Amino acid sequence: AQKVTQAQTEISVVEKEDVTLDCVYETRDTTYYLFWYKQPPSGELVFLIRRNSFDEQNEISGRYSWNFQKSTSSFNFTITASQVVDSAVYFCALRSTNAGKSTFGDGTTLTVKP
Amino acid sequence: NAGVTQTPKFRVLKTGQSMTLLCAQDMNHEYMYWYRQDPGMGLRLIHYSVGEGTTAKGEVPDGYNVSRLKKQNFLLGLESAAPSQTSVYFCASTPIRTVINSPLHFGNGTRLTVT
Repeated sequence: AQKVTQAQTEISVVEKEDVTLDCVYETRDTTYYLFWYKQPPSGELVFLIRRNSFDEQNEISGRYSWNFQKSTSSFNFTITASQVVDSAVYFCALRSTNAGKSTFGDGTTLTVKP
Repeated sequence: NAGVTQTPKFRVLKTGQSMTLLCAQDMNHEYMYWYRQDPGMGLRLIHYSVGEGTTAKGEVPDGYNVSRLKKQNFLLGLESAAPSQTSVYFCASTPIRTVINSPLHFGNGTRLTVT
């Protein structure tokens, strides 16, 4: 069985602070993908990034960066210089080879205060 | 390009009533999924389909039925609604050739309340 754990239920920061969202996963698959999705207050789900199980290269995209460590089964997401518009629920998800089914974490609610 | 469209957006049902949620995608995706989102519980897979005419149970299938008669449509039915089915329902799709690495394309959700 697959499992995704987002231990942080809620995080509150002040604008311009850096914030890291944690994601730990469990799977027996050797090939899998990890995703981060954002759900703003409007409710839609927006894809942010994906990473495959063979690519541990970390990535930076603007104010966003991701740290994938297979040894600790973690796929953490950092927002640098947070902004009010970053306020949302963030979901980490694990995609398996079995019909492409995705297992989601419970989400982390990020509130960025001005 | 509409992507994934869910109807209706909101619905209130009384216990015991039935209804069907419609999901339509215009991206020619083979794989389609129904998730429910409850506060603090993330998204849980109800049913999914890997192609026209095929469906399978997900993590929380009880109380729901689905049909995929056409490739572009995936219907979720509640035969006898219960208050425990109050939730936000999301439909998603993805293409088969990149099923493991393609992100899910989500609809905007249906907010269902069962009283």
